[in-house]
Amino acid sequence: EVQLVESGGGLVQPGGSLRLSCAASGFTFSRYWMHWVRQAPGKGLVWVSRINFDGSSTSYADSVKGRFTISRDNAKNTLYLQMNSLRAEDTAVYYCARGGYPGAFDIWGQGTMVTVSS
Amino acid sequence: QSALTQPASVSGSPGQSITISCTGTSSDVGGYNYVSWYQQHPGKAPKLMIYEVSNRPSGVSNRFSGSKSGNTASLTISGLQAEDEADYYCSSYTSNVVFGGGTKLTVL
Repeated sequence: EVQLVESGGGLVQPGGSLRLSCAASGFTFSRYWMHWVRQAPGKGLVWVSRINFDGSSTSYADSVKGRFTISRDNAKNTLYLQMNSLRAEDTAVYYCARGGYPGAFDIWGQGTMVTVSS
Repeated sequence: QSALTQPASVSGSPGQSITISCTGTSSDVGGYNYVSWYQQHPGKAPKLMIYEVSNRPSGVSNRFSGSKSGNTASLTISGLQAEDEADYYCSSYTSNVVFGGGTKLTVL
């Protein structure tokens, strides 16, 4: 079964750090671009970051640039999102998603909740 | 990039057809054939319904169709069913991905 499973979410204080992981299974992970998308409570989807097949190219939304770092370990079939200098407005469910088609996400994880609060 | 513009809500009766619009600019929706549509039920992850304007992934009902004219893309759902009630998001891909604000579909 093709699957993405996120982990690492939780409660963190403003200014703190958190590392999200996304374990992939059921497909050849190294053949796909991967993305992080977030959704604040009661709000819409927002693209956060993407990484190419081998990690040599990354891109970020302006709102997280300089604070978040996307990476991947193809040997472990795992995607990561290192989040530093967290703010209250980063509170959201974070989804990892597979870029199965140009600009389209065909497989999504179940999401992991990140809450930034004192 | 600014978010794409979708109506906040649409509604229809079972069996009817509805259309959800998604308006962008010539720099996103109008400039590329990389418009996608997602369905999201409460508390669930989004599901890809349409990619590259009008293509359906395997397993998606042919009641769902997509199109584009100029800077506006559209998702049409025909033969509305109760299980279609959900939030729907469009997205467009240029150098990065931008989503619409989402449309809540109510099946009356």
